[in-house]
Amino acid sequence: DQQVKQNSPSLSVQEGRISILNCDYTNSMFDYFLWYKKYPAEGPTFLISISSIKDKNEDGRFTVFLNKSAKHLSLHIVPSQPGDSAVYFCAASARVGNEKLTFGTGTRLTIIP
Amino acid sequence: NAGVTQTPKFRVLKTGQSMTLLCAQDMNHEYMYWYRQDPGMGLRLIHYSVGEGTTAKGEVPDGYNVSRLKKQNFLLGLESAAPSQTSVYFCASSLVQSSGYTFGSGTRLTVV
Repeated sequence: DQQVKQNSPSLSVQEGRISILNCDYTNSMFDYFLWYKKYPAEGPTFLISISSIKDKNEDGRFTVFLNKSAKHLSLHIVPSQPGDSAVYFCAASARVGNEKLTFGTGTRLTIIP
Repeated sequence: NAGVTQTPKFRVLKTGQSMTLLCAQDMNHEYMYWYRQDPGMGLRLIHYSVGEGTTAKGEVPDGYNVSRLKKQNFLLGLESAAPSQTSVYFCASSLVQSSGYTFGSGTRLTVV
């Protein structure tokens, strides 16, 4: 039972354009959501997070949007740069119960110069 | 500031051999985790620990054992390696379970 789903295994975007990565979840207890970025031969690193009390969180070129009614979140990268080429993992947890993170399957983003 | 260190980085095993992967963290984190990453499967939790001396099963624990004798170390053991255990293994640690995981750089294991 995949509680966090990233339905697009890969995405290619032209440099300078917007990259939009999507994530859906099924567990209504999730109240904290994170995005991790992973380069080849490295471990995942934290990118940005959002609490369920917000619907948007911005950090430079990265913005995460949360739609609780649709159980959907998205990561927007504007403008996309070649260094953004990586695998992006969505993760979710229920902070109230201090529950472990549940990760999605990842989306490989390729930025085309 | 080392963070999370995994050893070894690469290993090739023959079917049936055993080995131990070591994870060390210097952040005084209570929680530690072992994940495996396979194409199309994302990050799957093998075992985890909520503190020194404790371990618990994750999503895919079969064929693996773990120990957390010291707070800073979390060992993952394969008693009899199988080709299905060919994967990239990541260790992570966190102060709380619900956020802020720090990952190691991974161990690429091939079982032939």
